[in-house]
Amino acid sequence: DAGVIQSPRHEVTEMGQEVTLRCKPISGHDYLFWYRQTMMRGLELLIYFNNNVPIDDSGMPEDRFSAKMPNASFSTLKIQPSEPRDSAVYFCASSFAHYGYTFGSGTRLTVV
Amino acid sequence: DQQVKQNSPSLSVQEGRISILNCDYTNSMFDYFLWYKKYPAEGPTFLISISSIKDKNEDGRFTVFLNKSAKHLSLHIVPSQPGDSAVYFCAAKRNSGGSNYKLTFGKGTLLTVNP
Repeated sequence: DAGVIQSPRHEVTEMGQEVTLRCKPISGHDYLFWYRQTMMRGLELLIYFNNNVPIDDSGMPEDRFSAKMPNASFSTLKIQPSEPRDSAVYFCASSFAHYGYTFGSGTRLTVV
Repeated sequence: DQQVKQNSPSLSVQEGRISILNCDYTNSMFDYFLWYKKYPAEGPTFLISISSIKDKNEDGRFTVFLNKSAKHLSLHIVPSQPGDSAVYFCAAKRNSGGSNYKLTFGKGTLLTVNP
């Protein structure tokens, strides 16, 4: 089991550019979560999916953020246009039902 | 509005001594609590959990205590080892009352265990 796979590991982009973060959950897991980690706010839940359907996106900060899960093995988090305050580490996690989460290694995003 | 609070950003202890990490929560609907450990450049990994029907759960060197009346939990590590140096996140969720599997995390506490 390769675990939750996120790509890229690091992303540096200029303000105004579109950024796409990718996640491959663990096979068989039916929940997928996107979190953002910052010093000020810790780990914040952005959005989560159940069986590929978005359930709660109340944590998505603005319309510039969007997330999709076209199938059980892939999800994307897109920021368009990106801003310096979006700089953070973005984590994807998956779980089976109410069992514990497995996190990916994260994507460190820097917007300059 | 922080529903899960870890008021100590950092903690430093000597190897072999006890480490105590604290966590407070405000949402009385939370009924399941977890601790995650995070090393640099890695994702958080599950460490230990406790249900609200218990007040203590032990796993080797790690023990979590829950005080529901005070809405407080703590993680004890005895004895502390240098490899325990990491950021520890407290997390909570509501297991009952329907499908709500999202975890709410605190900001984390950086534990440094000195040799």
